[in-house]
Amino acid sequence: RKEVEQDPGPFNVPEGATVAFNCTYSNSASQSFFWYRQDCRKEPKLLMSVYSSGNEDGRFTAQLNRASQYISLLIRDSKLSDSATYLCVVKAAGNKLTFGGGTRVLVKP
Amino acid sequence: ETGVTQSPTHLIKTRGQQVTLRCSSQSGHNTVSWYQQALGQGPQFIFQYYREEENGRGNFPPRFSGLQFPNYSSELNVNALELDDSALYLCASSLGTAPHEQYFGPGTRLTVT
Repeated sequence: RKEVEQDPGPFNVPEGATVAFNCTYSNSASQSFFWYRQDCRKEPKLLMSVYSSGNEDGRFTAQLNRASQYISLLIRDSKLSDSATYLCVVKAAGNKLTFGGGTRVLVKP
Repeated sequence: ETGVTQSPTHLIKTRGQQVTLRCSSQSGHNTVSWYQQALGQGPQFIFQYYREEENGRGNFPPRFSGLQFPNYSSELNVNALELDDSALYLCASSLGTAPHEQYFGPGTRLTVT
């Protein structure tokens, strides 16, 4: 079983719609959680951290469920510019970040 | 832009050869982590360097090695290249070894033929 698993998609989303997807992790000792965004042939960029209480940044909402060991990302009012691959990232004790395989989102007019 | 630079941007090598990739960290950052990203997959942690010492390693064989210099720039060396080493190699710099945020460079795309 992979340490961090994501549905690869693609999620085809009409512009203006809401899309949500999850990521599961296997290490119950994981301490920190992040969502990164990666555009085609570009480097990953931090989208947001995920806090235990859940957090929101504009149209983006991240949730953490420690009991079921998953995190989620919800995008409201999708824009064409939201088309990208969203990488779930988990950090256990120490310095290693473990990335999921990414979920591809395509927002269409 | 993150301020993290990598060179070269693209590279083609033959199986069995050796390659050196370079990374300059963001100003003020003392830690560099290296990742391998195969096509269609997420980045995989290779190792991290902090104050010129290796500080953590992923599941990569010893033919993957690295260095960090006093100015915190770093090199990734891969010996005896294999076809499966073809990937995007990313470096990320951060302040400290357990970073809240890592800032990635644009990557070096390595093709092994």
